[in-house]
Amino acid sequence: AQKVTQAQTEISVVEKEDVTLDCVYETRDTTYYLFWYKQPPSGELVFLIRRNSFDEQNEISGRYSWNFQKSTSSFNFTITASQVVDSAVYFCALSGRRDDKIIFGKGTRLHILP
Amino acid sequence: DGGITQSPKYLFRKEGQNVTLSCEQNLNHDAMYWYRQDPGQGLRLIYYSQIVNDFQKGDIAEGYSVSREKKESFPLTVTSAQKNPTAFYLCASRPGLGGSSGADTQYFGPGTRLTVL
Repeated sequence: AQKVTQAQTEISVVEKEDVTLDCVYETRDTTYYLFWYKQPPSGELVFLIRRNSFDEQNEISGRYSWNFQKSTSSFNFTITASQVVDSAVYFCALSGRRDDKIIFGKGTRLHILP
Repeated sequence: DGGITQSPKYLFRKEGQNVTLSCEQNLNHDAMYWYRQDPGQGLRLIYYSQIVNDFQKGDIAEGYSVSREKKESFPLTVTSAQKNPTAFYLCASRPGLGGSSGADTQYFGPGTRLTVL
């Protein structure tokens, strides 16, 4: 069975601090895909990144970076120099190669305090 | 502009009434999905459709029904059989059918917040 665990329910940091959101996954598939989505207060889920299981390179996009480690089944997300606009709920998700469905974690609510 | 639209943004329903939530996409995506989100919870899959005139139950399909008569439209009906329908409903679409190219990314609409009075 596939499972995504986001152990941090809620995090608060002061603006400009760095923050890491943890994501641990379980799957028996050898080919799979990992995602991060952002849900701002408006409610719409915004796609941030997709990684496939064969690409363990870390990725950086501006202040966002992702650390994928198959050895620990983790796909962590770091925001550098956080800003108030980063306040949102962040979801990690997993999909198998032959699976049209995505399994979502329960999300981490991030508060960036001014 | 290309995207996914959901209407209405807020919906109020009396107990015992059926209500239909709209989801339209002009992205030419093949697959469409309906999710339910309760406060402090992740997303739970209600129904999904990979092609026109075909759909499959998700994890919490009881009390819901869907249709997929057109590629761009995937309406969700919340029936009176759904015991606790108050929630935030999100529609999503995905470009491909998976297969050898792997899973494609799902893109989401703005959501509909349903409240049962």
